[in-house]
Amino acid sequence: AQTVTQSQPEMSVQEAETVTLSCTYDTSESDYYLFWYKQPPSRQMILVIRQEAYKQQNATENRFSVNFQKAAKSFSLKISDSQLGDAAMYFCALNAGNMLTFGGGTRLMVKP
Amino acid sequence: DAGVIQSPRHEVTEMGQEVTLRCKPISGHDYLFWYRQTMMRGLELLIYFNNNVPIDDSGMPEDRFSAKMPNASFSTLKIQPSEPRDSAVYFCASSLLWVPGQVIYNEQFFGPGTRLTVL
Repeated sequence: AQTVTQSQPEMSVQEAETVTLSCTYDTSESDYYLFWYKQPPSRQMILVIRQEAYKQQNATENRFSVNFQKAAKSFSLKISDSQLGDAAMYFCALNAGNMLTFGGGTRLMVKP
Repeated sequence: DAGVIQSPRHEVTEMGQEVTLRCKPISGHDYLFWYRQTMMRGLELLIYFNNNVPIDDSGMPEDRFSAKMPNASFSTLKIQPSEPRDSAVYFCASSLLWVPGQVIYNEQFFGPGTRLTVL
């Protein structure tokens, strides 16, 4: 069985500041992938960033980066230079053998 | 590519009625997934197909729910009879073949969702 836990139901950040969203997971698979999805009020699920478990290098996509700690089964998302458009629900997800398991989500609020 | 297409975007129905949600995956994708999102339970996988064949339906809540994929470009999720507790947002997603070591093939692309309200 796979589990994904996001321990922060809500987070708040000042515009232009940096925020880190936490995620821990558990799986018995050796080959898996981790994702962060953003869900704005439109409900559309938008992929933010992906990470292959076998890669030690942390993934980066513009202002978004991850801190992947495989031994600790931790996969946090850092958003730099936060913008008002970053306000949304963020979901951490684990994909092992096509079974995509989501965390409970973190609601990010961005203050102007 | 238009992405994953779902219809309708919104559905309001009365308890006991049959509801059919539709999904068109991205052309060329081999996998299709149905998810349900609620405040209480978050995002749950209901069922997924590989090459039009249902692989895992363990997430389907009960016999009132059924899903079909008659061809590679169309899938339906049916609820009969519907109940108020079925009210949720239903997402369809598709992806390419699972290829170990090729994460880009494992990304799931989501449709816009169908918001279902059962009165």
